[in-house]
Amino acid sequence: KNEVEQSPQNLTAQEGEFITINCSYSVGISALHWLQQHPGGGIVSLFMLSSGKKKHGRLIATINIQEKHSSLHITASHPRDSAVYICAAINTDKLIFGTGTRLQVFP
Amino acid sequence: DSGVTQTPKHLITATGQRVTLRCSPRSGDLSVYWYQQSLDQGLQFLIQYYNGEERAKGNILERFSAQQFPDLHSELNLSSLELGDSALYFCASSVLQGYGYTFGSGTRLTVV
Repeated sequence: KNEVEQSPQNLTAQEGEFITINCSYSVGISALHWLQQHPGGGIVSLFMLSSGKKKHGRLIATINIQEKHSSLHITASHPRDSAVYICAAINTDKLIFGTGTRLQVFP
Repeated sequence: DSGVTQTPKHLITATGQRVTLRCSPRSGDLSVYWYQQSLDQGLQFLIQYYNGEERAKGNILERFSAQQFPDLHSELNLSSLELGDSALYFCASSVLQGYGYTFGSGTRLTVV
């Protein structure tokens, strides 16, 4: 069993839909990252959070430390949101990555 | 531009060869991390340096080595290359351990 699990693995949506991607972890963490990887391969850090909730534009990330669970929400999804979303647990000196969620948003 | 510079962007080499990947961290960042992303393994942590010293090791093969120089740039050396080493290699930097990672755009290595 992976230390960081994401669901779903693949997600398709129509433009405008509300998207939720889930991440559960079994290791102790100091914080959790949500990353976005576009088809070209580049990785962008979206959020780093250790408690509560963060919002940036149409993106919202939440974390529940007691339940060892985090969610990434995308409101009013758009085709440009199509990418792989990866959660990564910060465990001491390294990131432990989930397997990623491939999101496709169709117009 | 994220501020983390990786070169080269693409590299094609033959089995048995040795290559060096380079990473310049974002200005002010002392930590450099190397990650490998292959199709069947996802992203895997290889090694971390902090201000010139090795801080943590992950799933890094003995054929691979890295170092961080006084100017804080880092190099990842891959030797005796095998087909299975073909992957995207990412470098990331952070100013403090575990805080605010910034990723480079990666080096795509193809071993033929």
